[in-house]
Amino acid sequence: DTGVSQNPRHKITKRGQNVTFRCDPISEHNRLYWYRQTLGQGPEFLTYFQNEAQLEKSRLLSDRFSAERPKGSFSTLEIQRTEQGDSAMYLCASSLDRGRANTEAFFGQGTRLTVV
Amino acid sequence: EDKVVQSPLSLVVHEGDTVTLNCSYEVTNFRSLLWYKQEKKAPTFLFMLTSSGIEKKSGRLSSILDKKELFSILNITATQTGDSAIYLCAVLIRGKLIFGQGTTLQVKP
Repeated sequence: DTGVSQNPRHKITKRGQNVTFRCDPISEHNRLYWYRQTLGQGPEFLTYFQNEAQLEKSRLLSDRFSAERPKGSFSTLEIQRTEQGDSAMYLCASSLDRGRANTEAFFGQGTRLTVV
Repeated sequence: EDKVVQSPLSLVVHEGDTVTLNCSYEVTNFRSLLWYKQEKKAPTFLFMLTSSGIEKKSGRLSSILDKKELFSILNITATQTGDSAIYLCAVLIRGKLIFGQGTTLQVKP
């Protein structure tokens, strides 16, 4: 399977615990995005990377959230001291940016986080 | 603030009907508008629109962009139950996709 891969698919955690999600993008894609989606809403932008550089982080994103893409390939999203409001589907997407031309973003299957 | 608004939020039709989904946007540095279909998990790509007035077609689905009036429509003709899904519109600006809230389409047999 050469699509975007996310692990784990599901995560249940207790409030206050830290969680980490992984995203493996399509191999030649230089852009990687993280989104959060709750029921009845469209995906909400969290952050994105161009290769290993984190280019933007949502102003709405708490300091408890951090993301990395150390070698410009896979990425991790960590949530520290989870709260019940963090319960959501976390989606990763990747695309190829060629300067003035972009390809569409392809999404992974998501990680569903439930904080109890 | 950049904004993407979709309408209607939900729609129920019968098989064979034609539907039109709307997406309007207020953004700076617009690059492209994209449509996605989301059934259970991951959104799957439908169309990317960059130029005004050029219709893109794929089977029973088609879409067009109006950059002057800042909107796009997605048409589905002869709907089938398999078209039931959330349809998401997103605008690509400054390297990131900003999504609307989606339109939930239910096609009844």
